[in-house]
Amino acid sequence: DGGITQSPKYLFRKEGQNVTLSCEQNLNHDAMYWYRQDPGQGLRLIYYSQIVNDFQKGDIAEGYSVSREKKESFPLTVTSAQKNPTAFYLCASSASSGARYGYTFGSGTRLTVV
Amino acid sequence: QQQVKQSPQSLIVQKGGISIINCAYENTAFDYFPWYQQFPGKGPALLIAIRPDVSEKKEGRFTISFNKSAKQFSLHIMDSQPGDSATYFCAASIGGQGGKLIFGQGTELSVKP
Repeated sequence: DGGITQSPKYLFRKEGQNVTLSCEQNLNHDAMYWYRQDPGQGLRLIYYSQIVNDFQKGDIAEGYSVSREKKESFPLTVTSAQKNPTAFYLCASSASSGARYGYTFGSGTRLTVV
Repeated sequence: QQQVKQSPQSLIVQKGGISIINCAYENTAFDYFPWYQQFPGKGPALLIAIRPDVSEKKEGRFTISFNKSAKQFSLHIMDSQPGDSATYFCAASIGGQGGKLIFGQGTELSVKP
């Protein structure tokens, strides 16, 4: 079945550590996105990529980094510069770069700072 | 101007009732308005979407009403069922801006049996 796989489902990070969240899709979608979900704040865009080897900052990119070396993969690194990283992280993809094609979301990674 | 404001934050409806969630926006360049449904521990899934040249779109028990002049749109869930209990997000996008969606704050719907 085609879809998006996010791993791990739960992740714990110590203060000062960098962690990387995995996102893999087998939908042959060109565009991929990372959102952060916090209670009462909806989904906020961190980074997005319309094509391999290219990506743009979203609204809350500070403290995060991404890469897009393969069409299928769009990993997100939460760096130690992100002061409040505890959240639910969602990866999504869409055909071409059109939201009207519909986003397919993964099941998310819940990151907790310990 | 890029915000989408959603209300209410939470909603409790009796089984068989009508659930109504409202969204408002400022940027008139938005040209696509989807609604997403999210169950606990899962990613959101596209429920229904509308474009600004249409005032209403219905799919089964779900209807989007769109008021272009007021810059508002709403989701109506008719004959609400306990299985509809989820978080609902409205969103908006501008064609050509990377397809990125701007999401509302979300509404947690609980349908009581």
